[in-house]
Amino acid sequence: AQTVTQSQPEMSVQEAETVTLSCTYDTSENNYYLFWYKQPPSRQMILVIRQEAYKQQNATENRFSVNFQKAAKSFSLKISDSQLGDTAMYFCAFMKHAQGAQKLVFGQGTRLTINP
Amino acid sequence: EAGVTQSPTHLIKTRGQQATLRCSPISGHTSVYWYQQALGLGLQFLLWYDEGEERNRGNFPPRFSGRQFPNYSSELNVNALELEDSALYLCASRGRLGLAPNEQFFGPGTRLTVL
Repeated sequence: AQTVTQSQPEMSVQEAETVTLSCTYDTSENNYYLFWYKQPPSRQMILVIRQEAYKQQNATENRFSVNFQKAAKSFSLKISDSQLGDTAMYFCAFMKHAQGAQKLVFGQGTRLTINP
Repeated sequence: EAGVTQSPTHLIKTRGQQATLRCSPISGHTSVYWYQQALGLGLQFLLWYDEGEERNRGNFPPRFSGRQFPNYSSELNVNALELEDSALYLCASRGRLGLAPNEQFFGPGTRLTVL
């Protein structure tokens, strides 16, 4: 079974700073997807970024980028120029590539607070 | 384009009762997923429906059940409610298998409280 671990329950940074959220996972699969989801106080889960395991290039979406280290099974999220609206719970998630196994396996989450 | 919708927003029940939660996927999406987000337990996969059939089930007792309708909307039923069923229940949808990216798009959730 796959497991996802987020070792930082809470983080806090000042607005405009850069922050990195950690995520490690355990799997014997070779093909899979990794995601970062954001859940603000409104509760709506929003996809931040995704990474296909077969792609060596790290995914980037505007201020959000990942550092994907497949051998180390590490998938960290970097938020540059952080904004107050980035305050939320952040969940790292894993999904096998197989069609019959579409469930997301989530980490426990990191509560990120951006201070003015 | 409308996102995933869920109803009701909040639901209060007592132990032993039944709860029915509803989810409407994004138009054109055929898969619906249910997750439970309980305090201290994180997000746990409950059920996956695709094209009207149950495709996968998480480690939950049989009193958690559901179905998917011809219009791809879905219901989650929880029978014989227990206090520990109190949680936020999230529904997510995604497009047709093999034809769409693998992202799941989430609804706002239903907060179930069991007294």
